[in-house]
Amino acid sequence: SQTIHQWPATLVQPVGSPLSLECTVEGTSNPNLYWYRQAAGRGLQLLFYSIGIGQISSEVPQNLSASRPQDRQFILSSKKLLLSDSGFYLCAWSVGMRPGGTQYFGPGTRLLVL
Amino acid sequence: ELKVEQNPLFLSMQEGKNYTIYCNYSTTSDRLYWYRQDPGKSLESLFVLLSNGAVKQEGRLMASLDTKARLSTLHITAAVHDLSATYFCAVVPNRDDKIIFGKGTRLHILP
Repeated sequence: SQTIHQWPATLVQPVGSPLSLECTVEGTSNPNLYWYRQAAGRGLQLLFYSIGIGQISSEVPQNLSASRPQDRQFILSSKKLLLSDSGFYLCAWSVGMRPGGTQYFGPGTRLLVL
Repeated sequence: ELKVEQNPLFLSMQEGKNYTIYCNYSTTSDRLYWYRQDPGKSLESLFVLLSNGAVKQEGRLMASLDTKARLSTLHITAAVHDLSATYFCAVVPNRDDKIIFGKGTRLHILP
């Protein structure tokens, strides 16, 4: 069966510090991968999605970036965090030729920028 | 631009009552998803609706899709406290590959 891992689970970082969140998927090959952010009490904002190694589509221009160094690994990064980067970051995966299939979400990383 | 609107955004209801959450979207689509999110937790897939007239049921929840009206409903029958959560609908436009989420409906069921 497929599983998706995210770490860390929680993170408190000062403004201006760097960020690296990691997501890995097990039990499937060539998944489509996604990063979402959910602000407190709000809906989901798609940040990035990837259909393959090194292939990243950015949905919202901001101080975040994503990379996919391996087939089942997706990394979200920032060089300098802003207060507005606080939120709940969710990684998700789907299968199929197109990214629009059912998405399965990881446990999330709760980020607080102070 | 595709819009996905859920109604209501917040619902407080008594146990034992029936209610419906509505999801309207603004473009053609024949793929719609419903997700559940418990407080502080991740999203869990509930239903996948892939054609006009599709109906799926799981326990006290039933989801339906009317692609002509661009409307999906999530019906709750005889609500119980365990169903308290935020419910999201998500739509994939026919000519696109991205899933667009609604803002979610926060459901609070009072004992």
